[in-house]
Amino acid sequence: AQSVTQLDSQVPVFEEAPVELRCNYSSSVSVYLFWYVQYPNQGLQLLLKYLSGSTLVKGINGFEAEFNKSQTSFHLRKPSVHISDTAEYFCAVTVSGGSYIPTFGRGTSLIVHP
Amino acid sequence: DAGVIQSPRHEVTEMGQEVTLRCKPISGHDYLFWYRQTMMRGLELLIYFNNNVPIDDSGMPEDRFSAKMPNASFSTLKIQPSEPRDSAVYFCASRPGAEYNSPLHFGNGTRLTVT
Repeated sequence: AQSVTQLDSQVPVFEEAPVELRCNYSSSVSVYLFWYVQYPNQGLQLLLKYLSGSTLVKGINGFEAEFNKSQTSFHLRKPSVHISDTAEYFCAVTVSGGSYIPTFGRGTSLIVHP
Repeated sequence: DAGVIQSPRHEVTEMGQEVTLRCKPISGHDYLFWYRQTMMRGLELLIYFNNNVPIDDSGMPEDRFSAKMPNASFSTLKIQPSEPRDSAVYFCASRPGAEYNSPLHFGNGTRLTVT
């Protein structure tokens, strides 16, 4: 069975600083990786996804993530954050075969300070 | 596309009462998921349906919880009787198909408080 680990439960950062949110997964088969964002009092929405091809994936709002198979990681990055990026971020993985039900990490709370 | 619609947004009830949460998935989506979010456990999958049929309910915490999907446009999650430890945010999500590249579309959730 697959699992997802988000190493940081909370990441505080100042506005306009770069940020990296870490995600590691474990699976014995091919994986497909997703990042979702949850703004306060809202549901999760897709930020970006990796299915195949280029290991660098660009998403909405200036975010990008890099798939590293050898390190089993899919870290999310943004070069310069805004106050409006304050939210909860979830990494998720599905594996090939079956019905592709995603497994979610525990989430990382990104707090952007002015 | 109105997105996934959940009702009510907030529910406050007393221990022992029955609670019914409602969900309308996006039209044409084949899969429907119910999740529970708490600080302690994060996001937990409770049950999911494919074409209105329950496929996996292993995440349902106990017999007090039940879920139905009488048609493609409506699902309910019922808790009877409710307990304070059921307090959480409950999300419904839908997906267009079994393809791996289909993300889940979430509703805005129902915040349940059981006193």
